[in-house]
Amino acid sequence: AQKITQTQPGMFVQEKEAVTLDCTYDTSDPSYGLFWYKQPSSGEMIFLIYQGSYDQQNATEGRYSLNFQKARKSANLVISASQLGDSAMYFCAMRGVGGTSYGKLTFGQGTILTVHP
Amino acid sequence: EAQVTQNPRYLITVTGKKLTVTCSQNMNHEYMSWYRQDPGLGLRQIYYSMNVEVTDKGDVPEGYKVSRKEKRNFPLILESPSPNQTSLYFCASSYRQGARTNEKLFFGSGTQLSVL
Repeated sequence: AQKITQTQPGMFVQEKEAVTLDCTYDTSDPSYGLFWYKQPSSGEMIFLIYQGSYDQQNATEGRYSLNFQKARKSANLVISASQLGDSAMYFCAMRGVGGTSYGKLTFGQGTILTVHP
Repeated sequence: EAQVTQNPRYLITVTGKKLTVTCSQNMNHEYMSWYRQDPGLGLRQIYYSMNVEVTDKGDVPEGYKVSRKEKRNFPLILESPSPNQTSLYFCASSYRQGARTNEKLFFGSGTQLSVL
């Protein structure tokens, strides 16, 4: 079974500063993918970044980077130079490719990020 | 425009009255799935479909039904809704979920369901 844990219900950051949103996971699948999605107050789900379990380098997409530590089973999202528009709910998610995980996607509880001017 | 269309956006109903939430995608995606979002619980997968006529249970399938008769449509059916099914529902799709894990999901706009 897959499990995603986001231990920070809410985070606050000053505009232009960097912030790290935590995500830990548990899986027995030999191969898996980790995703981060953003949900603004308008409700839509926006894909931010992807990390494969066998990728040699940490993923980056513009101001977003993923601090992937496989041994620790963590996949933290780092947002550099925060902007007011970054205020939103952030979800970590995982998909596996083995056995009973095939086709399943597991999300964490989410972290609400508030960016202060 | 590539999109996943869910209808309705808002729905208020009463206990026991059958309802269907529709989901349609125009990207020729093989994979489609349904989620419910509840405060403090994040998104939980209800059902998913790897392709036409292939569906399987997610983590919280009780009280829900799905069908995948056509590639583009994946309706969610609540045959006898109960108040504990009050939630925000999302439909999502992606390309084939094979050995690769990197296929991101495209989400619909969500359906806010209230069961009285």
